[in-house]
Amino acid sequence: AQSVTQLGSHVSVSEGALVLLRCNYSSSVPPYLFWYVQYPNQGLQLLLKYTSAATLVKGINGFEAEFKKSETSFHLTKPSAHMSDAAEYFCAVTPGAGSYQLTFGKGTKLSVIP
Amino acid sequence: DAGVIQSPRHEVTEMGQEVTLRCKPISGHDYLFWYRQTMMRGLELLIYFNNNVPIDDSGMPEDRFSAKMPNASFSTLKIQPSEPRDSAVYFCASSTGKQTQYFGPGTRLLVL
Repeated sequence: AQSVTQLGSHVSVSEGALVLLRCNYSSSVPPYLFWYVQYPNQGLQLLLKYTSAATLVKGINGFEAEFKKSETSFHLTKPSAHMSDAAEYFCAVTPGAGSYQLTFGKGTKLSVIP
Repeated sequence: DAGVIQSPRHEVTEMGQEVTLRCKPISGHDYLFWYRQTMMRGLELLIYFNNNVPIDDSGMPEDRFSAKMPNASFSTLKIQPSEPRDSAVYFCASSTGKQTQYFGPGTRLLVL
């Protein structure tokens, strides 16, 4: 079985500051990992995904995440926050290529302070 | 290209009534997923289909919930009878093969 823990249900950063959203996972097999973003009253949109290729994954809107097997982490970062980044972010895991079952974390709501 | 389409976007009903949520996946996608999102439990997978056939319904909470996919372009999630604890946002997602799941905008259900 797999699980995802997102540290911090709510993170606030100033506009222009570094964004760091934390995600730790557990999986009995090599995982595939995803970050999704949800804007208010909208569905989830894929930001980026790790599928056992490069450990540093670049996504849309300037976000990136690094897969660290030794730390079982997949933290999401962005060098400079923009007001439009305010949303809820979800980390998700699926146990490798053979499964379609995404297990989501509880989400982290990002606020950007002008 | 149109994304995943869900209807209705909002539904308010009274306890005991039947509720039907609808989903049109992206054309050409052969996997369809139904999720439920609540504050308490987060996002949960309810059921998914491959080529219109239900593959895993272990996430369906109880017999009051049922899902069908009569053809490649349409799926329904039905709750009968509905209860206040069913209030949530229900998402439909679709994908092709083992690729990224694309989510619809969701149906916000309130059962009074």
